[in-house]
Amino acid sequence: SYVLTQPPSVSVAPGKTARITCGGDNIGRKSVHWYQQKSGQAPILVIFYDSDRPSGVPERFSGSNSGNTATLTISRVEAGDEADYYCQVWDSSSGQGVFGGGTKLTVL
Amino acid sequence: EVQLLESGGGLVPPGGSLRLSCTASGFTLSNSAMNWVRQAPGKGLEWVSFISSSGGTTNYAESVKGRFIISRDKSQNTLSLQMNSLRADDTAIYYCVKNNGPGGWFDPWGQGMVVTVSS
Repeated sequence: SYVLTQPPSVSVAPGKTARITCGGDNIGRKSVHWYQQKSGQAPILVIFYDSDRPSGVPERFSGSNSGNTATLTISRVEAGDEADYYCQVWDSSSGQGVFGGGTKLTVL
Repeated sequence: EVQLLESGGGLVPPGGSLRLSCTASGFTLSNSAMNWVRQAPGKGLEWVSFISSSGGTTNYAESVKGRFIISRDKSQNTLSLQMNSLRADDTAIYYCVKNNGPGGWFDPWGQGMVVTVSS
């Protein structure tokens, strides 16, 4: 089965840029989606199709995907961005969803 | 506004059964591809099961295959997850989630339903 690898944690100071990676074999050939989950809440979609933003998601959130790594970038980080972030792909060969292990973003 | 609402969770002993249901507002659930995703306490997200928009295709994670059944009642516009032979490691929050596009992103998510398997 397809495996996605994320760093367990990323720390960033307010106003700086946070980059959260998601590694997978030739992940650049897949569509990658990102979710934000704040403590005690259900996840919400923040990026789909590698770099598209749903309505209501700030432009500070962006995504990229190439080779073996997809990246979620959060610019001008705010305290309210502190959350767990998950990458996800749909493995069409198995017809299954696949999540990365999640990355806890800490705003210093 | 597009929303999903789960029901049916609770406490069940090991080996027992439980049925989760999910209703939708703002879109027709019976015409949509849907998933169940779960999250064990303190752990990450785990995809559990998928049903296609036609209902003709269902898929399961290896961890629940043969024990869980996903289904849809078109007349009631509800999605269900029948969980049998429950184990302690099935304890989790279960989310009903809409599947979108050929790329398969998940949106929206329900608020989640707690399932606890314990004696």
